[in-house]
Amino acid sequence: DTEVTQTPKHLVMGMTNKKSLKCEQHMGHRAMYWYKQKAKKPPELMFVYSYEKLSINESVPSRFSPECPNSSLLNLHLHALQPEDSALYLCASSQDLAGAQETQYFGPGTRLLVL
Amino acid sequence: QKEVEQNSGPLSVPEGAIASLNCTYSDRGSQSFFWYRQYSGKSPELIMFIYSNGDKEDGRFTAQLNKASQYVSLLIRDSQPSDSATYLCAVNREGGGNKLTFGTGTQLKVEL
Repeated sequence: DTEVTQTPKHLVMGMTNKKSLKCEQHMGHRAMYWYKQKAKKPPELMFVYSYEKLSINESVPSRFSPECPNSSLLNLHLHALQPEDSALYLCASSQDLAGAQETQYFGPGTRLLVL
Repeated sequence: QKEVEQNSGPLSVPEGAIASLNCTYSDRGSQSFFWYRQYSGKSPELIMFIYSNGDKEDGRFTAQLNKASQYVSLLIRDSQPSDSATYLCAVNREGGGNKLTFGTGTQLKVEL
């Protein structure tokens, strides 16, 4: 089973709202990722967690706040977003970060629209 | 020079033909190569990965890697309309924290 789930599927929020995106995997993976993807562009890495600790932050604005409550869950808290933050937000997981051969599996994504 | 380059397409092939998707990369430290398929509005789906020079076959898909030429390709045999999608090439390097570097993707259209 290579399933990563994400909720909600769609989200519309105003620039003053606070919302959260959720990601869950039950594959026993110890690395989890957040990506942002704009239309007709490849996914852009935002954050990487390894063993529930933040491993990589790709200089993402502080209005995006990741959280990894346990090894199966990954959240992305959103606050005071801008319209240009509208995109498909993808969660992915992999067994580990140990080697270059770690395969990342993506969830279905949350399509976010900021008004 | 982009780190991972793909022709954006669209690449149009007739149903039943072989589709050939190409990807070049600039980092000689690259170790692992992944092909993802992405339908419009959906998330990337892993098709194949390859680590060693040569060919790797999985059903209708064959990945080819030539590290000396810094070139990786994906062949799709007996192309079907359901193969119409954007194909993303992604590259990883040892010690890179499993950070994938994606190409911009090639749009494939399989025509009836």
